[in-house]
Amino acid sequence: EDKVVQSPLSLVVHEGDTVTLNCSYEVTNFRSLLWYKQEKKAPTFLFMLTSSGIEKKSGRLSSILDKKELSSILNITATQTGDSAIYLCAVVDLYSGGGADGLTFGKGTHLIIQP
Amino acid sequence: GAGVSQSPRYKVAKRGQDVALRCDPISGHVSLFWYQQALGQGPEFLTYFQNEAQLDKSGLPSDRFFAERPEGSVSTLKIQRTQQEDSAVYLCASSRDGTGNSNQPQHFGDGTRLSIL
Repeated sequence: EDKVVQSPLSLVVHEGDTVTLNCSYEVTNFRSLLWYKQEKKAPTFLFMLTSSGIEKKSGRLSSILDKKELSSILNITATQTGDSAIYLCAVVDLYSGGGADGLTFGKGTHLIIQP
Repeated sequence: GAGVSQSPRYKVAKRGQDVALRCDPISGHVSLFWYQQALGQGPEFLTYFQNEAQLDKSGLPSDRFFAERPEGSVSTLKIQRTQQEDSAVYLCASSRDGTGNSNQPQHFGDGTRLSIL
């Protein structure tokens, strides 16, 4: 059974700090890893990673995949209170549900940025 | 529309009642997914449509759960004889491609929060 484990499960930091969120996975046939940000509503897409070692960047957020270590990290620099959310990691397994596009999610990291 | 739209946003039902949750995906998106998210957990896959065809329903927890997408656009998730453990947020997502080999991300709606009393 596919497994996605995120750590830490919760994190409280001060505005301006840099945070690193971790995601490790065990899947039968890995195709891609995705990061989503979930506030009180819809998970919003951040990054999709398919190749190892290539950093994806969007503003203060960046992410990288390590296929050898079966893991990914999401970095947020100069955090702001608006970054407070649950950050979800999900993987796509070629042979999992959803016509091989269904996502298997971790439990998420609940990030709180204090002013 | 611009994004995935779900309705109602909140639904309260008594145990034993039937409920129907609606999802309006992004226009032109081939793939549509339903997920169930319990409190404090990540979303869990329920079922998948490619156009009007339900290609995978392996995640549906019981035969009380039924989903359809008759014209390949709007989808309805129906839960019959609801039970308290059905209380959760039901998320719908769509993606542009439907080949099963897609590199297109899924875009989520805001979900329907279902509470069974």
